[in-house]
Amino acid sequence: QVQLVQSGAEVKKPGASMKVSCKASGYTFTTFYIHWVRQAPGQGLEWMGIINPNSGSTIYAQKFQGRVTMTRDTSTSTVYMELSGLRSEDTAVYYCARAPFDSGAGWFDPWGQGTLITVSS
Amino acid sequence: EIVMTQSPATLSVSPGERATLSCRASQSVSSNLAWYHQKPGQAPRLLIYGASTRATGIPARFSGSGSGTEFTLTISSLQSEDFAVYYCQQYNNWPRTFGQGTKVEIK
Repeated sequence: QVQLVQSGAEVKKPGASMKVSCKASGYTFTTFYIHWVRQAPGQGLEWMGIINPNSGSTIYAQKFQGRVTMTRDTSTSTVYMELSGLRSEDTAVYYCARAPFDSGAGWFDPWGQGTLITVSS
Repeated sequence: EIVMTQSPATLSVSPGERATLSCRASQSVSSNLAWYHQKPGQAPRLLIYGASTRATGIPARFSGSGSGTEFTLTISSLQSEDFAVYYCQQYNNWPRTFGQGTKVEIK
């Protein structure tokens, strides 16, 4: 079955960088987009950006421009999301989610299990 | 960016009753609207896309309607597993944006 499995929880210091992985299985990796969405504790969902695993092209939310980098490794069917200059407000669960090409990268299905990143000194 | 506004923030419903959730977009998103629900400690799950098409495996008691700026998610007869937070999301424009969520709780 289609699965997105993310890396484990981490604790980071303010100013540090984090890198979360999202390994896809059960489908052809290069035929679906991958989005990244985060959720701060007790809050709603915030879209961060998208990567096309076939071309490597990306679109980032303006809020994260300059701090976020999304990459992929087609040999391992894995997408990575790196966020630099961490601050306490970046404490959140980070999700990857798949989107079909023919939906214009529209709806997200399925989602990874989430990765909790805690930023604390 | 397009702002998605959901109402109400909390909906108290008895099991077996009908629930109606609303989502409004600050400008037209055509039918490019999805609904998700999220249970505590879990990732969101897709319910509806294209404003009214149920995702694979989603029961028929979930239905979506609307286009343009006004959308509705209806749960015809609430089951225990339906008590969760529901989010709408537009995919007509960049950036993709979500509503703030409606919590459906047991009355």
